[in-house]
Amino acid sequence: DQQVKQNSPSLSVQEGRISILNCDYTNSMFDYFLWYKKYPAEGPTFLISISSIKDKNEDGRFTVFLNKSAKHLSLHIVPSQPGDSAVYFCAAYDGSSNTGKLIFGQGTTLQVKP
Amino acid sequence: DTGVSQNPRHKITKRGQNVTFRCDPISEHNRLYWYRQTLGQGPEFLTYFQNEAQLEKSRLLSDRFSAERPKGSFSTLEIQRTEQGDSAMYLCASSSARLAFFGQGTRLTVV
Repeated sequence: DQQVKQNSPSLSVQEGRISILNCDYTNSMFDYFLWYKKYPAEGPTFLISISSIKDKNEDGRFTVFLNKSAKHLSLHIVPSQPGDSAVYFCAAYDGSSNTGKLIFGQGTTLQVKP
Repeated sequence: DTGVSQNPRHKITKRGQNVTFRCDPISEHNRLYWYRQTLGQGPEFLTYFQNEAQLEKSRLLSDRFSAERPKGSFSTLEIQRTEQGDSAMYLCASSSARLAFFGQGTRLTVV
């Protein structure tokens, strides 16, 4: 039962353009969401997060949007740079659990072409 | 470097052998997690420690797997009688509030 889904395994964009990575979830108890970036042979690195009480959070070139009614969030990267090429994971915390474990999506591989 | 540290980075072992991985979390974090990632998938939760207490274990953690966190500091993950299906990246994370920081992982290859 995949509670966090990233339905696009890969995405390719041109340098300078916008990258939009999507994530859907099924569990209405999820109350905090994070995006992680992962390079090959390295651990995930935190990018940006959003609480379920907000619908937008922005940090520099990265913006995360949350649509609770649709159980959908997206990460926008503007402008995209070749160094952004990596695997991006969407992750969620279950607010009904006190363990603090993260539920991850399958990841989307972003390639930014120069 | 005050981040999460994992050792070794890579481990190749023969099927049936035992392996042990170590994780040193960020010192002020009392929560520590182990995850496993296979190709094409996101990290999957294995187990969780609050200080030295192991409070949750995933069904993914078979009886061949054991984890410890003596004194609430570093943690070890041991896999006994390794199988080829154990080949994966094993990730450790420690957290403060709701932000988890990951180590660089240990890549296990069982041949």
